[in-house]
Amino acid sequence: GQQLNQSPQSMFIQEGEDVSMNCTSSSIFNTWLWYKQEPGEGPVLLIALYKAGELTSNGRLTAQFGITRKDSFLNTSASIPSDVGIYFCAGGDDKIIFGKGTRLHILP
Amino acid sequence: EAEVAQSPRYKITEKSQAVAFWCDPISGHATLYWYRQILGQGPELLVQFQDESVVDDSQLPKDRFSAERLKGVDSTLKIQPAELGDSAMYLCASRKGPTSGNTIYFGEGSWLTVV
Repeated sequence: GQQLNQSPQSMFIQEGEDVSMNCTSSSIFNTWLWYKQEPGEGPVLLIALYKAGELTSNGRLTAQFGITRKDSFLNTSASIPSDVGIYFCAGGDDKIIFGKGTRLHILP
Repeated sequence: EAEVAQSPRYKITEKSQAVAFWCDPISGHATLYWYRQILGQGPELLVQFQDESVVDDSQLPKDRFSAERLKGVDSTLKIQPAELGDSAMYLCASRKGPTSGNTIYFGEGSWLTVV
């Protein structure tokens, strides 16, 4: 069946650093979504992508829908403490599946 | 801003008991999803509704789980009997339609602990 591979699994960075994470799928997707989840809460949508090659920004976040339609990446610039959490990619069309998440930690 | 409503927020139940979760999607959203999220993992799709019809329940453990959306609006997910391995967060999500271009929005989730 369809699978999503999200990497890295976790990241430890200094405040102010830029962050990059990505997702690849075994099949072509028509939708890529990026969510952030904090402990005890449901995922909150960060960016939605619907067209191959699309590059979309939301504040310090930028995400791109890969040309092959089998990958997507999310970048965060100048990380701040409140960026800590788990970032999930999700993709598909009618059925949406999730990656296993990238856990972002900011070192004091 | 309209939200997906879920209840209860937290539920502790004993093994072999029945438990039910309720979801009210964003008004006008025809597609409703139930996901299960085990701690440390990504959400896993259990069932997808289009209006009142089930369009995908291939990952729903049908021997103990059931889901319904009788009037095509709110939905109930039931587990009977609950097992220890069912401890997880159950997330409901909704989408305006089944096609690309409609974003999926999640509720806050219902945490289930089976003891």
